[in-house]
Amino acid sequence: DAMVIQNPRYQVTQFGKPVTLSCSQTLNHNVMYWYQQKSSQAPKLLFHYYDKDFNNEADTPDNFQSRRPNTSFCFLDIRSPGLGDAAMYLCATSRGKVFSTEAFFGQGTRLTVV
Amino acid sequence: GQQLNQSPQSMFIQEGEDVSMNCTSSSIFNTWLWYKQDPGEGPVLLIALYKAGELTSNGRLTAQFGITRKDSFLNISASIPSDVGIYFCAGRTNFGNEKLTFGTGTRLTIIP
Repeated sequence: DAMVIQNPRYQVTQFGKPVTLSCSQTLNHNVMYWYQQKSSQAPKLLFHYYDKDFNNEADTPDNFQSRRPNTSFCFLDIRSPGLGDAAMYLCATSRGKVFSTEAFFGQGTRLTVV
Repeated sequence: GQQLNQSPQSMFIQEGEDVSMNCTSSSIFNTWLWYKQDPGEGPVLLIALYKAGELTSNGRLTAQFGITRKDSFLNISASIPSDVGIYFCAGRTNFGNEKLTFGTGTRLTIIP
């Protein structure tokens, strides 16, 4: 059974039109991550939440925002998608205690910008 | 910031061969994770390592946490067609630091 679920699997949006990607988890993990992955590259961390504490990466553009209304859900908002934002977006979770544990990924959402 | 370099970048092997890949860092890591990613899918965790020198197996996969804490390797024995994919290492620098840094990836192709 899927434990980290991303919706939709494929998203097409227009240049400049706001888009929201969603992630839910059944693991009750404290930490939720959003990664951007472009073709043949490693996943790049955009930001993560530890519970409600938001941690932004220094090089994440302001165009990317995130919300975590509760433990189970986390959203990635792209305010004005550009062609360069076309990528696979990966959500992951981890338990996040002092002795950090593994991170588990969803299947990803492939974003196309037209 | 931390960088993880994986080698080789790509491998072309025949079915049944053993595979070895490694990951090196300029910084000390306290956790090493190995993932496999199939096209169009999210990474799937293969092995997690938490102690320097630790050697852990998962079926035909074996991974080791380097003594210096700056490297890790992954071996796959007797490769099969479903081993095809991209393998990523990932690491955390400190316990309690939730940031997970990914390596550059190794693409494995199996020649029939």
